[in-house]
Amino acid sequence: DAGVTQSPTHLIKTRGQQVTLRCSPKSGHDTVSWYQQALGQGPQFIFQYYEEEERQRGNFPDRFSGHQFPNYSSELNVNALLLGDSALYLCASSSIGGSPDTQYFGPGTRLTVL
Amino acid sequence: GENVEQHPSTLSVQEGDSAVIKCTYSDSASNYFPWYKQELGKRPQLIIDIRSNVGEKKDQRIAVTLNKTAKHFSLHITETQPEDSAVYFCAASINTGFQKLVFGTGTRLLVSP
Repeated sequence: DAGVTQSPTHLIKTRGQQVTLRCSPKSGHDTVSWYQQALGQGPQFIFQYYEEEERQRGNFPDRFSGHQFPNYSSELNVNALLLGDSALYLCASSSIGGSPDTQYFGPGTRLTVL
Repeated sequence: GENVEQHPSTLSVQEGDSAVIKCTYSDSASNYFPWYKQELGKRPQLIIDIRSNVGEKKDQRIAVTLNKTAKHFSLHITETQPEDSAVYFCAASINTGFQKLVFGTGTRLLVSP
């Protein structure tokens, strides 16, 4: 049973650049949530996708956007990168038809903005 | 919006002792409370969760208690082992079908042999 996977593992970008992070949910899951985890902090909710639509959004600017594909995988895009965007980006998957509140996390993508 | 406070920020115990981590939430509509364990450089791992219709849940050495009136919930680890050393996060959410987890700031647990 495949768990949540994310790519890439690490990424280094410079200020002003754009980045795309990818997530494949756990087998049988249809909902993907994205979180930002700054060093020494708890994860902060960015947004959640279900049926290829953004269903909920946290307190993040429009520079953060996402997409969900028909196979339930998802992308997180960040434009005009700032130094403060450096963090671990986690995706979590869940199943609306199962236990929608139980979220399982991927290993994360460590983004460093220089 | 929901806010979750977590204490203590660090906790050091001797192997075999018990450890208790406490969280407080602000939104009385919250009804789902998971706990995650995150080892250094690894993903948060769900270790136990509780819903608002239950006051206590236990899984081997781990237990969670919920006091809805006080809006408190706690993680209890008994007979701690060095491999329990990690950062523990509590979270809260309102189950509306689509929900976000609001996390506490984490507790670094160190279990010394």
